[in-house]
Order: sequence, then structure tokens, then C-alpha cells
Amino acid sequence: DGGITQSPKYLFRKEGQNVTLSCEQNLNHDAMYWYRQDPGQGLRLIYYSQIVNDFQKGDIAEGYSVSREKKESFPLTVTSAQKNPTAFYLCASSIWTSSYNSPLHFGNGTRLTVT
Amino acid sequence: GQQVMQIPQYQHVQEGEDFTTYCNSSTTLSNIQWYKQRPGGHPVFLIQLVKSGEVKKQKRLTFQFGEAKKNSSLHITATQTTDVGTYFCGGGTSYGKLTFGQGTILTVHP
Repeated sequence: DGGITQSPKYLFRKEGQNVTLSCEQNLNHDAMYWYRQDPGQGLRLIYYSQIVNDFQKGDIAEGYSVSREKKESFPLTVTSAQKNPTAFYLCASSIWTSSYNSPLHFGNGTRLTVT
Repeated sequence: GQQVMQIPQYQHVQEGEDFTTYCNSSTTLSNIQWYKQRPGGHPVFLIQLVKSGEVKKQKRLTFQFGEAKKNSSLHITATQTTDVGTYFCGGGTSYGKLTFGQGTILTVHP
């Protein structure tokens, strides 16, 4: 079955450590996204990528980094510079068009807890 | 920057009652999308509206896009316990970016 795989489901880290969240898709989608979800704040865009080797900052990119070396993969690194890293992180993908926003397909998410 | 406000934040209904959530954008949208997230799950795409004044129905769900393309609503008729979850609207302006509202958490009491 086609889909998006995020791993792990739960992740625990100590403050000051960088941590990388995995996102893999086999939908052959060009575009991939990272969102952060906090209670009462909806989904906020961290980074997105339209094609391989290219990505753009979203609304809350500070303290995060990404790479897009392969079409299928879009890992997110939460660095020690991120002040409030504890959150639910959602990866998504979509068909890329220049004329409208294609519907997003989301992974199951990774719940990161930093203490 | 663009802001999308969604109200109410919470809605508690008895099974069989109707439910509506509203989405308002600070800027004109090219399209709006609605998603549902079940408790403990991930958002799942429901529908996309593109045209001014557009109305679409999916069984008991009715989606509307305002004439000015700055607001939208989702109405559920005769709620069921399976409708429980968080409903998000996502507004698109520049391509590649959706700005989501805060979501409405719906609980349905049997």
C-alpha cells in the first residue's frame, strides 16, 4: 500500500541534544512538508520541499533543519536551538502543481518529548 | 502574514444534533481544504473548495466557500459518535503552502 511512514512513533530526548525524525513516502509525490501540532494551535508549517535538493522555510523554521536528497525521504532535525521542541510532528506529502494546493497526505506522526 | 482563524475551539453535542465550524482568513484564498483528525490519529483530507460561493456535500457533511473566498464552513447534520475528532480548515494562497486554522474539537455524547 502507498503511504507515508514516520518513525519512531514516540521519541524521548534530553535537552541540548539534536534529534532527527524520519519521513519516507512511496506515493511518488514531489512535495513534502513538516508540520508541528500543539494543543490549541492547529498545524504550523516548519519546512516544505517541492523537489529534490530544494526546500523552503515555513512559518516556524527556527531551530529546525531539513534535507531532501531523495524524492522519497524528507528527514527533520530538531536542534538544541529549538526552545520548545516537545510536540507532535507530522510529515505530509502531495502532488506538486503551480496552480493550486494539492491535498496533503499525512503520516501517523512522531510525538517528541524533550526533558 | 496570512492568518486563518477557526471557531469554535470546542463543541460538545448530543448525538443527533447538528454541528458547524467556521473558518475565516485575513486574506483572499485561492482554495480551502478541510481535514479530520480522529483522537490519536493524523489529519485526513475531506474536501477542497476552489470556486467563490461553492457548496459541496458528502453525505451528512456540507462544506461552503464564501463569495469573497475569505471564509468557509463545515456543517454536520445529525451528528454520530463516529464524527468525533478535530476538524481543521487549511487555506491556500501562494502555491505550496497551506495555513491551517486552530481546529475545532468535536465531542459527541451518545
